[in-house]
Amino acid sequence: DSGVTQTPKHLITATGQRVTLRCSPRSGDLSVYWYQQSLDQGLQFLIHYYNGEERAKGNILERFSAQQFPDLHSELNLSSLELGDSALYFCASSVGKRYTFGSGTRLTVV
Amino acid sequence: QQQVKQSPQSLIVQKGGISIINCAYENTAFDYFPWYQQFPGKGPALLIAIRPDVSEKKEGRFTISFNKSAKQFSLHIMDSQPGDSATYFCAPRKPGAGSYQLTFGKGTKLSVIP
Repeated sequence: DSGVTQTPKHLITATGQRVTLRCSPRSGDLSVYWYQQSLDQGLQFLIHYYNGEERAKGNILERFSAQQFPDLHSELNLSSLELGDSALYFCASSVGKRYTFGSGTRLTVV
Repeated sequence: QQQVKQSPQSLIVQKGGISIINCAYENTAFDYFPWYQQFPGKGPALLIAIRPDVSEKKEGRFTISFNKSAKQFSLHIMDSQPGDSATYFCAPRKPGAGSYQLTFGKGTKLSVIP
């Protein structure tokens, strides 16, 4: 157990729908990073939150958004889903240089 | 533009052999050079990392060699074991304005056969 909790583990939904992925960071870690892992693009950085504030955006689509709450858990919202959004979504929490990844949410869009 | 090129894509090594995975990068702003190990159904886990002012770092059977002028670094796994069978990613870190993003290579699937 890495200490980073992601729910749900699996999600199957239809095109056009909206889903929310949840991440609870390791106790004490203020940073949450979201990454997408797909077969064609590999692991790509989406967005970074630190103590409730957005710090950086990567290759995140406008249909996607995230937030970090006062208890430091984070949610990644994916809307108007397309088949190509099917992927593994990982969050990672960090302190200093060290990242700790969760086990991911596997999203399948049908 | 692919900032990080990892090779080979896949690697089969006999138990007890040496596994070598290479990573070439373009962005000179990278300031930290980790390797991650990922097992099926799990997230990537930090294996070993090196700072750019060091040319080699060894931790047990795992060694990173770093060549700053060539903008390359490699992972060597000595005495490879079946339990090392996993996908390995180089993921140099880019600092900036309080955010430290990792840029992942495409990964190398290592299979260690008994």
